[in-house]
Amino acid sequence: DAGITQSPRHKVTETGTPVTLRCHQTENHRYMYWYRQDPGHGLRLIHYSYGVKDTDKGEVSDGYSVSRSKTEDFLLTLESATSSQTSVYFCAISDSGVGTDTQYFGPGTRLTVL
Amino acid sequence: QKEVEQDPGPLSVPEGAIVSLNCTYSNSAFQYFMWYRQYSRKGPELLMYTYSSGNKEDGRFTAQVDKSSKYISLFIRDSQPSDSATYLCAMKGVTGGGNKLTFGTGTQLKVEL
Repeated sequence: DAGITQSPRHKVTETGTPVTLRCHQTENHRYMYWYRQDPGHGLRLIHYSYGVKDTDKGEVSDGYSVSRSKTEDFLLTLESATSSQTSVYFCAISDSGVGTDTQYFGPGTRLTVL
Repeated sequence: QKEVEQDPGPLSVPEGAIVSLNCTYSNSAFQYFMWYRQYSRKGPELLMYTYSSGNKEDGRFTAQVDKSSKYISLFIRDSQPSDSATYLCAMKGVTGGGNKLTFGTGTQLKVEL
């Protein structure tokens, strides 16, 4: 998984609780991404980062926030989890963000919101 | 209408068969095309990457791009049970920040013994 770890790998939580997922990379890549994967929707981008403290929204960013204080770590926070946020979350990294640069994915975090 | 359409399957074939997986897209700005393979409960892994019309071959895999028809394909020759996975097409434009990819929904493939 290209030097990418995600934690936790599985989590069950209750509606209304805050949840933070962590992505850690050892590749020193500039770009980091958070996706969610749901049946019938494929992978959808939540937020991405193009450097320390530099982030931007993806197509499904409502209800999520992110932070990146170090090159190697990208955090995804659900401020108040809802059942619609039950999903598998993937972190990805890429080097330059241009041209033939591509994304490499982590192993995923399976989140269930009851 | 989604920008990228992909038949979800499932597709079941016998071992040794030739498999054809396809995606169509509507955004003419897409110039780079990828195929990812995803095993059950794993993250997607990059399989093939192309950025021009035509064919690109890598072992048993051939990626084909037809920009005029907005159609891409992945062919798997001599399919093996280990090829059983979900195959995701992905694409992006030349410009636009963040190297953002647009994915198809994935086709589930099962290769039977």
